[in-house]
Amino acid sequence: AQKVTQAQTEISVVEKEDVTLDCVYETRDTTYYLFWYKQPPSGELVFLIRRNSFDEQNEISGRYSWNFQKSTSSFNFTITASQVVDSAVYFCALKPTGNQFYFGTGTSLTVIP
Amino acid sequence: EPEVTQTPSHQVTQMGQEVILRCVPISNHLYFYWYRQILGQKVEFLVSFYNNEISEKSEIFDDQFSVERPDGSNFTLKIRSTKLEDSAMYFCASSVVRQGASGYTFGSGTRLTVV
Repeated sequence: AQKVTQAQTEISVVEKEDVTLDCVYETRDTTYYLFWYKQPPSGELVFLIRRNSFDEQNEISGRYSWNFQKSTSSFNFTITASQVVDSAVYFCALKPTGNQFYFGTGTSLTVIP
Repeated sequence: EPEVTQTPSHQVTQMGQEVILRCVPISNHLYFYWYRQILGQKVEFLVSFYNNEISEKSEIFDDQFSVERPDGSNFTLKIRSTKLEDSAMYFCASSVVRQGASGYTFGSGTRLTVV
């Protein structure tokens, strides 16, 4: 079965705090890809990052960082020094072999000024 | 950077009417997809299309739905006799290959409201 779980439905933080969004996935495929997307109120899916299953190196891009751990099937996303513009719904997604993406249910992040 | 273009961005239709959602995939892409996101829920796969035929579809994609690539550039999703529960954001996507994730790109979506 292919599945992505984002246990945190809603998170609120005060501006400048760090926040980590959790993502746990399930797949039996040995080759797969993991993604994070940001969905602002306007509704589009903004691509943030893609990792493949063979690359467990953590990645940092500005205030964003990602921690991929195959041992725990997790791909967590941290925003450092959060800003109001970070407020959005964030989706973790899995693409195993085959056509489709499997999305988590999303985490709604609110950054309070 | 190449984009997947969807039109219209927002469509309102009356229950029972037919609606066609349009997408222009990235020009060298070969695989095309539709996804649906009911408000407040996750994005769900509807259908994939390759070589002028459906290659995979989900349980959501019933006889009410159809897809077509009427010319060399457009990829359409038709919903016959729309229902209130068809109200959702519909995302088109395209990719170069089936395996892997190279270039898999989502459009900005069409928000369909059925009244």
